[in-house]
Amino acid sequence: GAVVSQHPSRVICKSGTSVKIECRSLDFQATTMFWYRQFPKKSLMLMATSNEGSKATYEQGVEKDKFLINHASLTLSTLTVTSAHPEDSSFYICVSGGDTQYFGPGTRLTVL
Amino acid sequence: GQQLNQSPQSMFIQEGEDVSMNCTSSSIFNTWLWYKQDPGEGPVLLIALYKAGELTSNGRLTAQFGITRKDSFLNISASIPSDVGIYFCAGHGSGNTGKLIFGQGTTLQVKP
Repeated sequence: GAVVSQHPSRVICKSGTSVKIECRSLDFQATTMFWYRQFPKKSLMLMATSNEGSKATYEQGVEKDKFLINHASLTLSTLTVTSAHPEDSSFYICVSGGDTQYFGPGTRLTVL
Repeated sequence: GQQLNQSPQSMFIQEGEDVSMNCTSSSIFNTWLWYKQDPGEGPVLLIALYKAGELTSNGRLTAQFGITRKDSFLNISASIPSDVGIYFCAGHGSGNTGKLIFGQGTTLQVKP
């Protein structure tokens, strides 16, 4: 069946650095990818909608200059957390769009 | 924006007991989905509901799409220790944007 992968699964970085998270659809093409973040014991909050070949659409309150999204191909969407700070520590999940939505396994980001 | 209210927030039950949780919304949802999330993992789809009144089972799990399209419930019968986790309801609201809106989650703990 369809699989969405994320890399890395876990990352620890120093405050001020940038971190790139990759989301790949392995056996299908995803023209749309949704990016969510989840704080511990909290629900998933939609950050942005990534569309192949066009600019991402960000939800209200999400800084587009801080969370850079690139959807350069039909199988790859990336989320870059720029100048990360401890409050950016979270679980980031990508979800493919379409009639059936497939979840990536998530990336645990810890900013020291 | 559209929101989902999920309850209860947490449950601590004895193995073998039945479990019920529900989600409500102030606005109509076009689909209802129920997910389970284990620690450190992405959510896994349990049941998807697409029509008002639909009642669907998946093993010991049963979920229904409310007639008003503003609510859904999930029942787990004869709980077992591996049912432990966080359960989320989610849905596609109006506008057919593909965005999933999540409930706050129900944390289930099962005592052997």
